[in-house]
Amino acid sequence: EAGVAQSPRYKIIEKRQSVAFWCNPISGHATLYWYQQILGQGPKLLIQFQNNGVVDDSQLPKDRFSAERLKGVDSTLKIQPAKLEDSAVYLCASSLEANVLTFGAGSRLTVL
Amino acid sequence: AQRVTQPEKLLSVFKGAPVELKCNYSYSGSPELFWYVQYSRQRLQLLLRHISRESIKGFTADLNKGETSFHLKKPFAQEEDSAMYYCALRGGGFKTIFGAGTRLFVKA
Repeated sequence: EAGVAQSPRYKIIEKRQSVAFWCNPISGHATLYWYQQILGQGPKLLIQFQNNGVVDDSQLPKDRFSAERLKGVDSTLKIQPAKLEDSAVYLCASSLEANVLTFGAGSRLTVL
Repeated sequence: AQRVTQPEKLLSVFKGAPVELKCNYSYSGSPELFWYVQYSRQRLQLLLRHISRESIKGFTADLNKGETSFHLKKPFAQEEDSAMYYCALRGGGFKTIFGAGTRLFVKA
């Protein structure tokens, strides 16, 4: 089966600019996750979707971060405006029945 | 509140030596515990889960509810085991949270 696809792989922006990340999960996986992984730390859950509904977004900084999952398939994560502390790898993962996670390669964001 | 603690950031052992990567958790219900691994230049991937009770690549992990631990063990480390290891907990709301990770370095 095809894996979880993410793009772009790398992005460099200036602070206060905006950026968007895209994720295409494994076909048939109802649950989709976005994690933020800052260098030296474990992945931190930002938002979890079940089909196209939000299950948990308690750790999403909603003043600058937004995410959507249209038609219960692809998802986009947007940051506007970006801050220096947003520099991280953004990981998308999907799972069948909210169980074992399959991760994408990640999108590395550098905010200057 | 759910929490996963991996007390060691770095663990360095010689090839052939036993390995134990520690993981402690905090959760009031019945958790599901996992170990994920990230090899150099590869994606984060599942290594094993406690409900499977199986050995993967020689690694085992036993859930100890009394000590709220899920330590990962291997009797004889190999150089190819060098990687970043993350303990994860799936609890309330089906959220999966991760520890900070332990980097295992196996020396020749």
